[in-house]
Amino acid sequence: DQQVKQNSPSLSVQEGRISILNCDYTNSMFDYFLWYKKYPAEGPTFLISISSIKDKNEDGRFTVFLNKSAKHLSLHIVPSQPGDSAVYFCAASPGYGQNFVFGPGTRLSVLP
Amino acid sequence: NAGVMQNPRHLVRRRGQEARLRCSPMKGHSHVYWYRQLPEEGLKFMVYLQKENIIDESGMPKERFSAEFPKEGPSILRIQQVVRGDSAAYFCASSRGLAGATDTQYFGPGTRLTVL
Repeated sequence: DQQVKQNSPSLSVQEGRISILNCDYTNSMFDYFLWYKKYPAEGPTFLISISSIKDKNEDGRFTVFLNKSAKHLSLHIVPSQPGDSAVYFCAASPGYGQNFVFGPGTRLSVLP
Repeated sequence: NAGVMQNPRHLVRRRGQEARLRCSPMKGHSHVYWYRQLPEEGLKFMVYLQKENIIDESGMPKERFSAEFPKEGPSILRIQQVVRGDSAAYFCASSRGLAGATDTQYFGPGTRLTVL
């Protein structure tokens, strides 16, 4: 019973184009969401977060969109760079003091 | 400001031995979380601790696994009588424990446990 789903195990994008990574969740109590990037043999690195009071948060090349009614969020990376090639995890929490539930990850490959 | 530190980075144990994994949180962080990542899978929550207290251990296997975060020193994840299925990457994360939706978790580099 996966509460956080990332239905695309992998994604390939040309350098300079937009990468869109999707995440769906089932628990309506989730109200805080994060995206992490993970390189092989390293720990996940925090990228960007969004709380349920917002529908968009932007940080440089990274933008996260949240659609609460659809229980869906997405991470947009534009323009994509080869260094963005990594596994991206979506994580969700019901709030303070609650543990995060991670999705299975999407492997992004940005082709030069 | 050093990040989350974990040691050892790699640990090899034979079946039946004990494994001890250590995690030092970021400076100023009082909350620690342990996650396990099996090959080709995402991160699975195991346990959430504050200093000297276990807050949520709903993801911990009922037997052989224990965790602590003493008043002084690192957090320890202990696996007794390891089996091959325990082979995984174990990640520790820490946060400040802020109220509201700002309590981001920062991860360590992980400990890769191999059980022979």
